[in-house]
Amino acid sequence: DVKVTQSSRYLVKRTGEKVFLECVQDMDHENMFWYRQDPGLGLRLIYFSYDVKMKEKGDIPEGYSVSREKKERFSLILESASTNQTSMYLCASSLAQYTGELFFGEGSRLTVL
Amino acid sequence: DAKTTQPTSMDCAEGRAANLPCNHSTISGNEYVYWYRQIHSQGPQYIIHGLKNNETNEMASLIITEDRKSSTLILPHATLRDTAVYYCIDKTSYDKVIFGPGTSLSVIP
Repeated sequence: DVKVTQSSRYLVKRTGEKVFLECVQDMDHENMFWYRQDPGLGLRLIYFSYDVKMKEKGDIPEGYSVSREKKERFSLILESASTNQTSMYLCASSLAQYTGELFFGEGSRLTVL
Repeated sequence: DAKTTQPTSMDCAEGRAANLPCNHSTISGNEYVYWYRQIHSQGPQYIIHGLKNNETNEMASLIITEDRKSSTLILPHATLRDTAVYYCIDKTSYDKVIFGPGTSLSVIP
């Protein structure tokens, strides 16, 4: 079975802390994505990557950065966490750019105090 | 912004067919229609996709109108476990996958 694993299911951080959210996929997929999901706003795309060391901004990249040093791993970084970044973060992967079939992880619920 | 529109919510009796509509009136010839669902507290799960022909798999059927401006996802015998938010997405080969607000389906015992 395909698997996308997010490192932490729940995190609590303080304002100003640097936060790393890790995502690993075991399917040799080319593409990886980070979304955040908030009530009433749905899923919004933060960043995505079509290849190792490549990244593209999504719709809401401000306050975030990403890293993809290896094909299977895509990290989301909050350089200085703020309370408005309290959210559910969802990582996904897909085989290639042409497909819309994404495989999602279970999500990481981040609370910034 | 999402290019599809769906009803905000729907109810369906357990054991009956759930028919979830989606309007994608601006769809172009090379755009596929994808459907996902998201059960509470889980990540979205891919269900099915199609271009212009009707499609069926073990989870659902997808009916796309001849003009391709709308589609219907059919869950033939809805169960309580089908209660979820269902998302309809249209996408070309090189588009990002953008989720709209979806339809919240409640399956009633």
